[in-house]
Amino acid sequence: GNSVTQMEGPVTLSEEAFLTINCTYTATGYPSLFWYVQYPGEGLQLLLKATKADDKGSNKGFEATYRKETTSFHLEKGSVQVSDSAVYFCALSITGGGNKLTFGTGTQLKVEL
Amino acid sequence: GAGVSQTPSNKVTEKGKYVELRCDPISGHTALYWYRQSLGQGPEFLIYFQGTGAADDSGLPNDRFFAVRPEGSVSTLKIQRTERGDSAVYLCASSSSTGPGNSPLHFGNGTRLTVT
Repeated sequence: GNSVTQMEGPVTLSEEAFLTINCTYTATGYPSLFWYVQYPGEGLQLLLKATKADDKGSNKGFEATYRKETTSFHLEKGSVQVSDSAVYFCALSITGGGNKLTFGTGTQLKVEL
Repeated sequence: GAGVSQTPSNKVTEKGKYVELRCDPISGHTALYWYRQSLGQGPEFLIYFQGTGAADDSGLPNDRFFAVRPEGSVSTLKIQRTERGDSAVYLCASSSSTGPGNSPLHFGNGTRLTVT
């Protein structure tokens, strides 16, 4: 089956620190990969995506590269801000296999001054 | 509307009761999805509509769960004979295309269901 594994939180960082949230996946077909973010009191929002191997998704200073050889899609940001505090979800969908997103369990990020 | 609207935002019900959860998608979005998120977990797929028809209901856990979208816009998720294990946040999402890889899903804020 399809599954997504991401690092457990909470992750607590100081402002301007470097962020990595690890995400690995298993998939029965060829997946598209996503990072969604949930800010406090808000709904899930798409942060970035990559649809094929070696693609890099980027948005708001966040980046993730689709690594087929390591089945990974790690989220990175060079300098986090307090406003980045949120829960981050890694997810996949199988191309041509339906329209279901399979999510990881989420990683809470707390950024402190 | 500006985004996906879900009502009620919170629902408390007694075990064995029937509940309906409503989702109003973004205007013009043909695809509508229901997910369930238990505490400490990621969202789990329940059902997906393309227009009025359920294109994939493989995530519905059992026959107590049912969803409709009679006019291709608003959808209602119905749960019969609720159990305490049904307690979760029920999320609705819509998109303008038929696949998450083609266009982003826009999520509502969810309905928090508590079964006592």
